[in-house]
Amino acid sequence: SQKIEQNSEALNIQEGKTATLTCNYTNYSPAYLQWYRQDPGRGPVFLLLIRENEKEKRKERLKVTFDTTLKQSLFHITASQPADSATYLCALDGNNRLAFGKGNQVVVIP
Amino acid sequence: NAGVTQTPKFQVLKTGQSMTLQCAQDMNHEYMSWYRQDPGMGLRLIHYSVGAGITDQGEVPNGYNVSRSTTEDFPLRLLSAAPSQTSVYFCASSGTEFFRYTFGSGTRLTVV
Repeated sequence: SQKIEQNSEALNIQEGKTATLTCNYTNYSPAYLQWYRQDPGRGPVFLLLIRENEKEKRKERLKVTFDTTLKQSLFHITASQPADSATYLCALDGNNRLAFGKGNQVVVIP
Repeated sequence: NAGVTQTPKFQVLKTGQSMTLQCAQDMNHEYMSWYRQDPGMGLRLIHYSVGAGITDQGEVPNGYNVSRSTTEDFPLRLLSAAPSQTSVYFCASSGTEFFRYTFGSGTRLTVV
Protein backbone atom coordinates (compact mmCIF):
# COMPACT_ATOMS: atom_id res chain seq x y z
CA SER A 1 0.00 0.00 0.00
CA GLN A 2 1.04 3.60 -0.43
CA LYS A 3 2.55 5.31 2.58
CA ILE A 4 3.95 8.71 3.43
CA GLU A 5 5.83 8.65 6.72
CA GLN A 6 6.89 11.53 8.91
CA ASN A 7 8.25 11.34 12.43
CA SER A 8 5.39 11.39 14.90
CA GLU A 9 7.57 12.75 17.71
CA ALA A 10 7.83 16.50 18.05
CA LEU A 11 11.20 18.03 17.28
CA ASN A 12 12.33 20.37 20.05
CA ILE A 13 15.15 22.61 18.93
CA GLN A 14 17.06 25.56 20.32
CA GLU A 15 16.59 28.90 18.63
CA GLY A 16 19.27 29.53 16.02
CA LYS A 17 19.90 25.87 15.28
CA THR A 18 18.89 23.99 12.14
CA ALA A 19 15.76 21.84 12.28
CA THR A 20 15.70 18.84 9.94
CA LEU A 21 12.56 16.87 9.16
CA THR A 22 12.28 13.66 7.16
CA CYS A 23 9.60 12.45 4.78
CA ASN A 24 9.78 8.86 3.52
CA TYR A 25 7.38 7.34 1.05
CA THR A 26 6.59 3.93 -0.42
CA ASN A 27 4.71 2.84 -3.53
CA TYR A 28 4.62 6.34 -5.00
CA SER A 29 6.37 7.63 -8.07
CA PRO A 30 5.82 11.35 -7.52
CA ALA A 31 6.64 13.89 -10.16
CA TYR A 32 7.08 16.40 -7.33
CA LEU A 33 6.92 16.71 -3.58
CA GLN A 34 5.60 19.59 -1.51
CA TRP A 35 5.97 20.88 2.01
CA TYR A 36 3.27 22.75 3.91
CA ARG A 37 3.16 24.48 7.26
CA GLN A 38 0.16 24.21 9.57
CA ASP A 39 -0.46 26.29 12.66
CA PRO A 40 -3.00 25.19 15.32
CA GLY A 41 -6.58 25.85 14.25
CA ARG A 42 -5.62 26.86 10.71
CA GLY A 43 -5.37 25.29 7.29
CA PRO A 44 -2.04 24.19 5.82
CA VAL A 45 -0.02 26.80 3.95
CA PHE A 46 2.16 25.92 0.97
CA LEU A 47 5.90 26.43 1.50
CA LEU A 48 7.98 24.71 -1.17
CA LEU A 49 7.72 22.39 -4.13
CA ILE A 50 10.55 20.28 -5.51
CA ARG A 51 10.38 18.31 -8.75
CA GLU A 52 11.67 14.77 -9.23
CA ASN A 53 14.59 15.99 -11.33
CA GLU A 54 15.68 18.56 -8.73
CA LYS A 55 18.00 17.58 -5.91
CA GLU A 56 17.60 20.68 -3.77
CA LYS A 57 15.39 23.76 -3.48
CA ARG A 58 15.80 26.79 -1.27
CA LYS A 59 13.52 29.58 -0.11
CA GLU A 60 14.91 32.05 2.41
CA ARG A 61 15.81 29.94 5.48
CA LEU A 62 14.14 26.80 4.13
CA LYS A 63 15.85 24.05 2.18
CA VAL A 64 14.33 20.89 0.74
CA THR A 65 16.11 17.91 -0.76
CA PHE A 66 14.52 15.13 -2.78
CA ASP A 67 16.10 11.73 -3.33
CA THR A 68 13.92 9.55 -5.56
CA THR A 69 16.28 6.59 -5.13
CA LEU A 70 15.97 6.63 -1.35
CA LYS A 71 12.32 7.75 -1.68
CA GLN A 72 12.99 10.48 0.82
CA SER A 73 12.81 14.23 1.25
CA LEU A 74 14.56 16.27 3.91
CA PHE A 75 13.23 19.65 5.04
CA HIS A 76 15.61 22.03 6.78
CA ILE A 77 14.89 25.24 8.66
CA THR A 78 18.14 27.08 9.24
CA ALA A 79 18.63 29.68 11.99
CA SER A 80 15.33 28.57 13.50
CA GLN A 81 13.14 31.08 15.32
CA PRO A 82 10.27 30.63 17.79
CA ALA A 83 7.93 31.80 15.00
CA ASP A 84 8.90 28.65 13.06
CA SER A 85 7.10 26.53 15.67
CA ALA A 86 4.37 24.69 13.78
CA THR A 87 3.53 21.35 12.20
CA TYR A 88 5.14 20.66 8.83
CA LEU A 89 3.43 18.40 6.31
CA CYS A 90 4.95 16.54 3.42
CA ALA A 91 2.71 15.94 0.37
CA LEU A 92 3.04 13.87 -2.80
CA ASP A 93 1.09 13.79 -6.02
CA GLY A 94 -0.51 10.56 -7.06
CA ASN A 95 -3.32 9.89 -9.53
CA ASN A 96 -4.10 13.59 -9.99
CA ARG A 97 -4.49 14.29 -6.31
CA LEU A 98 -2.33 15.26 -3.37
CA ALA A 99 -1.68 12.87 -0.49
CA PHE A 100 -0.28 14.11 2.82
CA GLY A 101 1.89 12.71 5.55
CA LYS A 102 0.66 13.06 9.12
CA GLY A 103 2.99 15.94 9.80
CA ASN A 104 5.88 16.57 12.15
CA GLN A 105 5.66 19.18 14.90
CA VAL A 106 8.57 21.56 15.43
CA VAL A 107 8.99 23.49 18.68
CA VAL A 108 11.69 26.15 18.66
CA ILE A 109 12.85 26.98 22.19
CA PRO A 110 14.01 30.56 22.79
CA ASN B 1 -9.10 38.85 -0.39
CA ALA B 2 -8.43 36.06 -2.87
CA GLY B 3 -8.56 32.62 -1.39
CA VAL B 4 -10.73 29.74 -0.26
CA THR B 5 -13.72 30.51 1.93
CA GLN B 6 -15.33 27.83 4.06
CA THR B 7 -18.56 28.15 5.98
CA PRO B 8 -19.52 27.54 8.69
CA LYS B 9 -16.43 27.61 10.91
CA PHE B 10 -18.07 25.53 13.62
CA GLN B 11 -21.07 23.21 13.58
CA VAL B 12 -22.69 20.78 16.00
CA LEU B 13 -25.02 18.17 14.51
CA LYS B 14 -27.12 15.46 15.98
CA THR B 15 -26.68 11.91 14.70
CA GLY B 16 -28.77 11.42 11.59
CA GLN B 17 -28.97 15.07 10.61
CA SER B 18 -27.77 16.21 7.24
CA MET B 19 -25.90 19.37 6.33
CA THR B 20 -23.77 20.99 3.66
CA LEU B 21 -20.33 22.43 4.21
CA GLN B 22 -19.73 25.29 1.81
CA CYS B 23 -16.51 26.00 -0.04
CA ALA B 24 -15.87 28.79 -2.51
CA GLN B 25 -12.70 30.00 -4.22
CA ASP B 26 -12.11 33.11 -6.30
CA MET B 27 -8.83 32.16 -7.96
CA ASN B 28 -10.36 30.41 -10.97
CA HIS B 29 -8.72 27.18 -9.88
CA GLU B 30 -9.69 23.98 -11.68
CA TYR B 31 -8.83 21.54 -8.93
CA MET B 32 -10.72 21.44 -5.65
CA SER B 33 -10.60 18.90 -2.85
CA TRP B 34 -12.12 18.14 0.51
CA TYR B 35 -9.98 16.70 3.29
CA ARG B 36 -10.75 15.70 6.82
CA GLN B 37 -8.16 15.94 9.57
CA ASP B 38 -8.29 13.82 12.68
CA PRO B 39 -5.73 13.55 15.50
CA GLY B 40 -3.07 11.02 14.59
CA MET B 41 -4.55 10.44 11.11
CA GLY B 42 -3.35 13.44 9.17
CA LEU B 43 -5.23 14.87 6.21
CA ARG B 44 -7.34 12.32 4.37
CA LEU B 45 -8.92 13.01 1.01
CA ILE B 46 -12.71 12.69 0.89
CA HIS B 47 -13.64 13.82 -2.62
CA TYR B 48 -11.99 15.87 -5.30
CA SER B 49 -12.83 17.61 -8.55
CA VAL B 50 -10.69 18.36 -11.58
CA GLY B 51 -13.18 20.83 -13.05
CA ALA B 52 -16.81 21.86 -13.18
CA GLY B 53 -19.05 18.85 -13.60
CA ILE B 54 -16.32 16.35 -12.71
CA THR B 55 -15.92 14.77 -9.28
CA ASP B 56 -14.28 11.64 -7.95
CA GLN B 57 -13.86 9.78 -4.71
CA GLY B 58 -10.85 10.03 -2.50
CA GLU B 59 -9.63 7.86 0.32
CA VAL B 60 -12.62 8.17 2.68
CA PRO B 61 -15.75 9.03 0.63
CA ASN B 62 -18.41 7.05 2.48
CA GLY B 63 -21.15 9.19 4.00
CA TYR B 64 -20.31 12.24 1.89
CA ASN B 65 -21.51 13.62 -1.43
CA VAL B 66 -20.13 16.42 -3.56
CA SER B 67 -21.07 18.28 -6.70
CA ARG B 68 -19.27 20.86 -8.82
CA SER B 69 -21.73 22.89 -10.83
CA THR B 70 -19.43 25.93 -11.09
CA THR B 71 -15.68 26.46 -11.03
CA GLU B 72 -15.98 28.51 -7.84
CA ASP B 73 -18.05 26.28 -5.57
CA PHE B 74 -17.51 22.78 -4.23
CA PRO B 75 -19.99 21.94 -1.44
CA LEU B 76 -19.65 18.82 0.72
CA ARG B 77 -22.85 17.15 1.88
CA LEU B 78 -23.15 14.92 4.89
CA LEU B 79 -26.11 12.70 4.19
CA SER B 80 -26.81 11.30 7.68
CA ALA B 81 -24.28 12.49 10.22
CA ALA B 82 -22.54 9.96 12.43
CA PRO B 83 -20.22 10.51 15.43
CA SER B 84 -17.37 9.08 13.32
CA GLN B 85 -17.68 12.17 11.12
CA THR B 86 -16.62 14.43 13.96
CA SER B 87 -13.55 16.07 12.48
CA VAL B 88 -12.04 19.21 11.05
CA TYR B 89 -12.83 19.59 7.36
CA PHE B 90 -10.62 21.50 4.96
CA CYS B 91 -11.40 22.56 1.44
CA ALA B 92 -8.50 23.28 -0.90
CA SER B 93 -8.07 24.50 -4.45
CA SER B 94 -5.26 24.47 -6.98
CA GLY B 95 -4.46 25.58 -10.47
CA THR B 96 -3.64 23.02 -13.10
CA GLU B 97 0.08 22.91 -12.36
CA PHE B 98 1.61 20.94 -9.54
CA PHE B 99 -1.42 20.85 -7.23
CA ARG B 100 -0.05 23.72 -5.18
CA TYR B 101 -3.04 23.91 -2.92
CA THR B 102 -4.55 26.89 -1.15
CA PHE B 103 -6.52 25.76 1.87
CA GLY B 104 -9.51 27.26 3.58
CA SER B 105 -9.53 27.90 7.31
CA GLY B 106 -11.53 24.77 8.05
CA THR B 107 -14.88 23.73 9.51
CA ARG B 108 -14.85 22.08 12.91
CA LEU B 109 -17.75 19.62 12.98
CA THR B 110 -18.99 17.77 16.03
CA VAL B 111 -21.63 15.06 15.72
CA VAL B 112 -23.34 14.12 18.97
